[in-house]
Amino acid sequence: DTGVSQDPRHKITKRGQNVTFRCDPISEHNRLYWYRQTLGQGPEFLTYFQNEAQLEKSRLLSDRFSAERPKGSFSTLEIQRTEQGDSAMYLCASSLGYASNIQYFGAGTRLSVL
Amino acid sequence: TQLLEQSPQFLSIQEGENLTVYCNSSSVFSSLQWYRQEPGEGPVLLVTVVTGGEVKKLKRLTFQFGDARKDSSLHITAAQPGDTGLYLCAGGGMAGGTSYGKLTFGQGTILTVHP
Repeated sequence: DTGVSQDPRHKITKRGQNVTFRCDPISEHNRLYWYRQTLGQGPEFLTYFQNEAQLEKSRLLSDRFSAERPKGSFSTLEIQRTEQGDSAMYLCASSLGYASNIQYFGAGTRLSVL
Repeated sequence: TQLLEQSPQFLSIQEGENLTVYCNSSSVFSSLQWYRQEPGEGPVLLVTVVTGGEVKKLKRLTFQFGDARKDSSLHITAAQPGDTGLYLCAGGGMAGGTSYGKLTFGQGTILTVHP
């Protein structure tokens, strides 16, 4: 399967702990996006990379959140000192260039902060 | 403030009925995508429309992009239980904006088709 892969699928953590999620985009896709989705809502944009450069960050991305894409391939999203309000589905998507803006999503990581 | 408004938010119908979901905005988008999402999974792309007035058909699904590229609709003919899910519209490349990367999503329409 060559789709977008996310790991882990589910994460349960205690408030105050740090968590890290990984996303492997579709091979050769140069753009990678992170979104957050809460129950009953559409996904909200967090940040995106073109190759290894982080081009945009949403105001939703507080200083407890950091994302990296060191070699322009896979990406990690880390949340430090998790809060209950961080509980959500974290979705990763990838696309090839800008022209089509067609983004393909992974299955997501469901985070529950207790 | 929701840039893309979807309506209705909930739709419960019987198998065989037709339905239309609307996606409206005051902003112009360079493209608009429709996704379908099942519980616990990521959104799956159904279609992308890029030209004002464009109509695309995918079996029993018909998608239309408004002439001004501010709104879109999804029409399903003879709905089946397998159509049940969350339908999301998403706009890309908002005109006048500085970001051409991110998608702006509507809040979604939860469709339930009863046998």
